[in-house]
Amino acid sequence: NAGVTQTPKFQVLKTGQSMTLQCAQDMNHEYMSWYRQDPGMGLRLIHYSVGAGITDQGEVPNGYNVSRSTTEDFPLRLLSAAPSQTSVYFCASSRGQGAIYGYTFGSGTRLTVV
Amino acid sequence: AQSVSQHNHHVILSEAASLELGCNYSYGGTVNLFWYVQYPGQHLQLLLKYFSGDPLVKGIKGFEAEFIKSKFSFNLRKPSVQWSDTAEYFCAVSRFSGGYNKLIFGAGTRLAVHP
Repeated sequence: NAGVTQTPKFQVLKTGQSMTLQCAQDMNHEYMSWYRQDPGMGLRLIHYSVGAGITDQGEVPNGYNVSRSTTEDFPLRLLSAAPSQTSVYFCASSRGQGAIYGYTFGSGTRLTVV
Repeated sequence: AQSVSQHNHHVILSEAASLELGCNYSYGGTVNLFWYVQYPGQHLQLLLKYFSGDPLVKGIKGFEAEFIKSKFSFNLRKPSVQWSDTAEYFCAVSRFSGGYNKLIFGAGTRLAVHP
């Protein structure tokens, strides 16, 4: 089925470890974003991309890197995990001008940093 | 800075009760408004959206929302809730910045519907 696929669904990291959260979409959407969801804070934008080769920072980019080498993939890298990065991460994609058409969200990655 | 405020963090209702969830935003320009729903253990799904035209927007599963420009509000309503409406509801506003419309989310309202 078409949509946004995130892997892994669950991950436990030790402080200081690095890892990459994967996100892929097969809808040929230009726009992709990463959000983190924390209780009482809604979803906050980490990084976004308006097309292959183009990325920019969102509200809470510190500690995360992204790249967009293809239209389909938008991985999120944690360089040195910290307990403050314990969260649920959602990848989202959209066609056209960003949020105008609404986003399609992935099923999320629940990350725990110990 | 633009923000989205959802005033009710937790709402508890009995089945068949009416629902209204408040959402206010702070942005003076043209806005696009959304309500998303997140059922337990699932990802966000779009309930409804407003771009222009009729300020009363109808969405899926019997939900509707009214855009009141003078009040900077976009409240979500449903005349009669069901147990299956138990979920978290997020209001969101699109904001044009850096050549891209980004979604800014409210903190969410957790709705529990009791049989």
